[in-house]
Amino acid sequence: DQQVKQNSPSLSVQEGRISILNCDYTNSMFDYFLWYKKYPAEGPTFLISISSIKDKNEDGRFTVFLNKSAKHLSLHIVPSQPGDSAVYFCAASDPGTYKYIFGTGTRLKVLA
Amino acid sequence: GAVVSQHPSRVICKSGTSVKIECRSLDFQATTMFWYRQFPKQSLMLMATSNEGSKATYEQGVEKDKFLINHASLTLSTLTVTSAHPEDSSFYICSANQGAANEKLFFGSGTQLSVL
Repeated sequence: DQQVKQNSPSLSVQEGRISILNCDYTNSMFDYFLWYKKYPAEGPTFLISISSIKDKNEDGRFTVFLNKSAKHLSLHIVPSQPGDSAVYFCAASDPGTYKYIFGTGTRLKVLA
Repeated sequence: GAVVSQHPSRVICKSGTSVKIECRSLDFQATTMFWYRQFPKQSLMLMATSNEGSKATYEQGVEKDKFLINHASLTLSTLTVTSAHPEDSSFYICSANQGAANEKLFFGSGTQLSVL
């Protein structure tokens, strides 16, 4: 059973516009969420995180929103750039276990 | 930021041989490291949690005799794929966190294993 889901396998956005990547989770005990960016044959690169006590965290062009009641988080990238084209994973922390559970990823393509 | 080094980046081996993958935290001590496996177009699947000085904790369905993990120091964890078979071909990635449970993970660059 997939506890962290990214229902959109791919997304195409025009350069300069906003990219919105979504992530849903089932375990209300998850207390920390992260977004990673990954290129093929490389390890993931950390982008941004959010604690369950917050509903928004912003870092430059990246903003993560958390809706605990809906068990939903989203990553906003604005403005989108061609270099943002990659696979994006959300991950949720299983409290007390040090484990992170990853979603299936969304492939973002930013069109020039 | 913290750096996690993973070697080799790519390995091709014959069926039946064993392959060792190293994961090092270069500028911090990692009491806990994680090993993931990724199949094409799929998520990162946690295989095991590597604990310095103690036995690794394996996820359900992961054969501990097949995937040997050793975390002998605070900066090094190794994953050995024993008697590799073509179905073990995959992208393996290690990660470590720098401190508390909710610290962000730093990932190695991954190892693409191809078993012929």
